[in-house]
Amino acid sequence: KAGVTQTPRYLIKTRGQQVTLSCSPISGHRSVSWYQQTPGQGLQFLFEYFSETQRNKGNFPGRFSGRQFSNSRSEMNVSTLELGDSALYLCASSSGEGGSETQYFGPGTRLLVL
Amino acid sequence: KQEVTQIPAALSVPEGENLVLNCSFTDSAIYNLQWFRQDPGKGLTSLLLIQSSQREQTSGRLNASLDKSSGRSTLYIAASQPGDSATYLCAVLTSGTYKYIFGTGTRLKVLA
Repeated sequence: KAGVTQTPRYLIKTRGQQVTLSCSPISGHRSVSWYQQTPGQGLQFLFEYFSETQRNKGNFPGRFSGRQFSNSRSEMNVSTLELGDSALYLCASSSGEGGSETQYFGPGTRLLVL
Repeated sequence: KQEVTQIPAALSVPEGENLVLNCSFTDSAIYNLQWFRQDPGKGLTSLLLIQSSQREQTSGRLNASLDKSSGRSTLYIAASQPGDSATYLCAVLTSGTYKYIFGTGTRLKVLA
């Protein structure tokens, strides 16, 4: 079974631009979560989608948004990029039903904002 | 609000040593706890998942324990090898949420 895939793997943008990251979950998984990892703040939860609905949200500004499609693939968008948005963005998928399932993480997208 | 702490922040040991990494959390109402490994510049690899009803899990040279009442988990690595060098993260899934709260990690270096 294929794992979680994220595209692109690396991205360079300039301040003020916007960016869209994509995540394809493991087949059959309906939940996709997004996390941001920076050296200063560590790994922080952005949001989680289940069956095309945002079910949970972290403490990030409205510039960070996401969506999930009917095939469970998810996209994350960051508008008006700031230097501090440079980070590794990880997505994770799980069945989404019940709290005991494992979340499987993708390889991440490394975003550099210049 | 769930907070997860990992001690030590960094650890350097000679090859062959047994070692223990610590993780503590403030809210004992958890669904599960996971230990992850992260190599530099890479994503996360799940090592062990402990359900809230379990006390420990084992995989090869790794053993993780969970004591919910005291808000602690330990990851025991037996006979460490240079290939074990990485950052180890613990993450807690709190009841009523679908998000993991991560610790800041322990950076492990095993010297040959």
